[in-house]
Amino acid sequence: DIQMTQSPSSLSASLGDSVTITCRASQGISNSLAWYQQRPGRAPQPLLFAISKLKTGVPSRFSGSGSGTKFTLTISSLQSEDVATYYCHQYYGSHSFGGGTKVEIK
Amino acid sequence: QLQEAGPGLVKPSETLSLSCSVSGDSIRSSYFWGWIRQSPGKGLEWIGSVYYNGRTDYNPSLKRRIFMSVDMSKNQFSLNLTSVTAADTAIYFCVRDGRGETGFDTWGPGTQVTVSS
Repeated sequence: DIQMTQSPSSLSASLGDSVTITCRASQGISNSLAWYQQRPGRAPQPLLFAISKLKTGVPSRFSGSGSGTKFTLTISSLQSEDVATYYCHQYYGSHSFGGGTKVEIK
Repeated sequence: QLQEAGPGLVKPSETLSLSCSVSGDSIRSSYFWGWIRQSPGKGLEWIGSVYYNGRTDYNPSLKRRIFMSVDMSKNQFSLNLTSVTAADTAIYFCVRDGRGETGFDTWGPGTQVTVSS
């Protein structure tokens, strides 16, 4: 099984700040990496797939990068509507998710 | 769009049965259709995925208790999870599974299932 480790588990930042979330895979996963945003009481919604491809309709302040086993999600200018929990997901070997990063406004 | 349906309460040792209605897309498309659950203790967990022709791909940890199927006449797919315990209490989401291309690119709103006598 491929384990996905996210960090930090939570963060607090000011509006307009740049925020970075890291996800590490226990083995190489090629480009089979997606990110999801889950607002309270809602289903997760896809943000990016294949590491850096933005899903249609997702704001361009969201970006993804990385390779091999280390990947990052960056929110370039944090907005109030970005308060949510973010999850990474590998779909290289079966499927597994990171533990989530809760993003709050300071 | 996807929409889950099923009982919110299931007794221990019984079978959990959920269905997912697909609208705005054909279940015969090139996608798989899957189930994911979320519980406080285990986070997000993929349960399995099914193709319209009946091909399935199950989470090995749940494989012996899962059955998934497709009803093309209703544009629906379903999940049966047998011998449930309190550990199966979770929010269950149905998803469109893009396989190696896009991950899970569409999610239903989710349905809470509680296992309790």
